[in-house]
Amino acid sequence: KQEVTQIPAALSVPEGENLVLNCSFTDSAIYNLQWFRQDPGKGLTSLLLIQSSQREQTSGRLNASLDKSSGRSTLYIAASQPGDSATYLCAASGGSYIPTFGRGTSLIVHP
Amino acid sequence: NAGVMQNPRHLVRRRGQEARLRCSPMKGHSHVYWYRQLPEEGLKFMVYLQKENIIDESGMPKERFSAEFPKEGPSILRIQQVVRGDSAAYFCASSDSPSGAEQYFGPGTRLTVT
Repeated sequence: KQEVTQIPAALSVPEGENLVLNCSFTDSAIYNLQWFRQDPGKGLTSLLLIQSSQREQTSGRLNASLDKSSGRSTLYIAASQPGDSATYLCAASGGSYIPTFGRGTSLIVHP
Repeated sequence: NAGVMQNPRHLVRRRGQEARLRCSPMKGHSHVYWYRQLPEEGLKFMVYLQKENIIDESGMPKERFSAEFPKEGPSILRIQQVVRGDSAAYFCASSDSPSGAEQYFGPGTRLTVT
């Protein structure tokens, strides 16, 4: 059974810092790994999707990497802004195509 | 291109009543997933459906919960005889294929059982 862990659970940083959010998964036989953002009381917004054959994906100030052999993915946020404040979730999809979600990292970027 | 739509956004039910949650996937998407998010817990998979078929319901409670995705119309998650423990946010997601496909989420329905 796939288990996904996200560290840290919460993070509070000043504006402008570069951040690394970590996601680890126990079963390396995944098809993809997806990073989401969730604002309080809202749904999930897809940020980046990394297929199992890929090592990383980039979108603007966001970069996500995937290392299947070690069961890890990282989300790198460059030059953080207050608008980046949200909960970030990672989800690993395996053979059943059903994603398993981590519990998220709650990020606060203060001015 | 409208995103995934869910309604109602907020639903209040008394214990014992029925709750019906609706999800319209993105245009062109025929795969629908339902998830539940309890306070202080992560997002948990409930059921995966394609048009007129339940593909995987391994996360669905055995009693009181059912889901459908008819040929025409939205997907419906139905909870009979609701209890306070059913209070949660229910999210639906859709994709255009199951294998390696990106899932797009709706805004969720927040169910409160009084």
